Amino acid sequence: LAKTTQPISMDSYEGQEVNITCSHNNIATNDYITWYQQFPSQGPRFIIQGYKTKVTNEVASLFIPADRKSSTLSLPRVSLSDTAVYYCLVGPITSGTYKYIFGTGTRLKVLA
Amino acid sequence: NAGVMQNPRHLVRRRGQEARLRCSPMKGHSHVYWYRQLPEEGLKFMVYLQKENIIDESGMPKERFSAEFPKEGPSILRIQQVVRGDSAAYFCASSLNRDSQPQHFGDGTRLSIL
Repeated sequence: LAKTTQPISMDSYEGQEVNITCSHNNIATNDYITWYQQFPSQGPRFIIQGYKTKVTNEVASLFIPADRKSSTLSLPRVSLSDTAVYYCLVGPITSGTYKYIFGTGTRLKVLA
Repeated sequence: NAGVMQNPRHLVRRRGQEARLRCSPMKGHSHVYWYRQLPEEGLKFMVYLQKENIIDESGMPKERFSAEFPKEGPSILRIQQVVRGDSAAYFCASSLNRDSQPQHFGDGTRLSIL
């Protein structure tokens, strides 16, 4: 699975848009990009997944440039409850990808 | 994390005792994965099981650790003769099939070794 690099931590204020960028320079052609959110004392929760361009769901957007060497998770109008660790994972959605590799993630702190 | 149930949520053991962690996957899911998370770190893959079969245990220590997923009942992660270094959060995830994405995680069992 491709190695990913994320900022260790970020601070934001309530109501702001937060963008967390993940670098994955050696992403393979059949790799997808998946983001998880983890609150203290809870398991990771799936946020969004994409392959290229832009993906949007009810909680976030995922922007992937043409070269796919990075991706940006965008959280619109964050609230205090968005304070969590966010993990970027890269790997193929095919047989053998069950070994999710979590880095240290990005600790997002939302301030009032 | 509705669906994947892990128990107990907290488990305290003394050194040398055995720890049994249980995981009931989401309804209809027959693929289970166990991960371990140390404080301030990401999750690390331990083992992947299907009903009655261990598919990949490459991330699990060779000694003292074992896992099973019987035909009936939850998946069990068993740690024998626990040591202080086994203190961690253990997460279980499940999927519908091997290629299903994403994996759905439970809220973990926090194991503390006295």
